Amino acid sequence: GAVVSQHPSRVICKSGTSVKIECRSLDFQATTMFWYRQFPKKSLMLMATSNEGSKATYEQGVEKDKFLINHASLTLSTLTVTSAHPEDSSFYICSARASGTGELFFGEGSRLTVL
Amino acid sequence: GQQVMQIPQYQHVQEGEDFTTYCNSSTTLSNIQWYKQRPGGHPVFLIQLVKSGEVKKQKRLTFQFGEAKKNSSLHITATQTTDVGTYFCGQGAQKLVFGQGTRLTINP
Repeated sequence: GAVVSQHPSRVICKSGTSVKIECRSLDFQATTMFWYRQFPKKSLMLMATSNEGSKATYEQGVEKDKFLINHASLTLSTLTVTSAHPEDSSFYICSARASGTGELFFGEGSRLTVL
Repeated sequence: GQQVMQIPQYQHVQEGEDFTTYCNSSTTLSNIQWYKQRPGGHPVFLIQLVKSGEVKKQKRLTFQFGEAKKNSSLHITATQTTDVGTYFCGQGAQKLVFGQGTRLTINP
């Protein structure tokens, strides 16, 4: 099946710094990728839709200047958490749809801890 | 986007007992998907339902889509310890929005 790879899997950073998370579709092209955020024992909250070659579409309540999304190629989307604060600590997961089935393939997730 | 309500939030069963989780929407859904997330893992696709009244089976798992396409259920017969995890329903033709999830724990 299709594979989505996410890196890094874990990152710890100091408050005020920026962190970049990469999401790659390894064996298919993804014009659209999705970024989710998940708090412990909670559901997956859709943050934004990443569109190749154009601006991301953010969900209501998600700060676009805080969570910068870039989808520069058909296989790579990046999420940058800018000026991170402890409340940004969370599990961030990307996903992409392979053409045809509508099935979402998820990356392994990135656990961000902001000190 | 459309919201789906999922219940129960938690379910603890003895190994061998059955388990069911339900998703409900106030509006008609174009499709519904089910995912399983193991503890510490990422969601993995289980199935997609599209047709009214559709029933699909995967071994001990039975998935149903209501006649009105406003609700869906996942039923596991004779649970095993490998079934532990959180089960999410999700809906949306373009972007997928998930229900709250049902966390299943099993007493061996």
